[in-house]
Amino acid sequence: AQKVTQAQTEISVVEKEDVTLDCVYETRDTTYYLFWYKQPPSGELVFLIRRNSFDEQNEISGRYSWNFQKSTSSFNFTITASQVVDSAVYFCALSEADRGAAGNKLTFGGGTRVLVKP
Amino acid sequence: DAGVTQSPTHLIKTRGQHVTLRCSPISGHKSVSWYQQVLGQGPQFIFQYYEKEERGRGNFPDRFSARQFPNYSSELNVNALLLGDSALYLCASSLMARDTQYFGPGTRLTVL
Repeated sequence: AQKVTQAQTEISVVEKEDVTLDCVYETRDTTYYLFWYKQPPSGELVFLIRRNSFDEQNEISGRYSWNFQKSTSSFNFTITASQVVDSAVYFCALSEADRGAAGNKLTFGGGTRVLVKP
Repeated sequence: DAGVTQSPTHLIKTRGQHVTLRCSPISGHKSVSWYQQVLGQGPQFIFQYYEKEERGRGNFPDRFSARQFPNYSSELNVNALLLGDSALYLCASSLMARDTQYFGPGTRLTVL
């Protein structure tokens, strides 16, 4: 069974501070995908990144960066120089790429609420 | 291009009633998935459909059913509503079953 754990339930920072969100996952599959989604107060989940289990390179996109470490089953997300608009709930998710299945179920963590104060 | 659309936005029902939620995927996407998100928790997978066939089912009772139409839109049906069914129901579409899922704004269901 697959599982995603986001130990931080809420993080509060002041604008321009950096914030790192932790994500630890469990899976028995050797091929899988990891995701981060952002959920602002409006409720819609916004896709941020998808990472293949074979690609351990870190990625940077503007103020966002991701650190994938297969050895510790972690896929952490950092927001640099946070802004008020970054306030949202952030979800880490996992899908197993079972070659025998055509489906793609996402397993989500419990989410981390980020509050950026001006 | 329009994103995933869902209707209605909000819905209030009483226990024992039936509800139908609707979802239109991004143009060109052939797969639709449904998730339930209870307040304060992460979304839980309910169903995935691809090319009108069910490709995955989560751990939900038989009161929950869904279907996908030839135009790739989808309906989620819930019978005999319980108070615990109150949640945000999210629909996601993807190009194919294994591709990245893009979510709609959700339907907030309240069961009284």
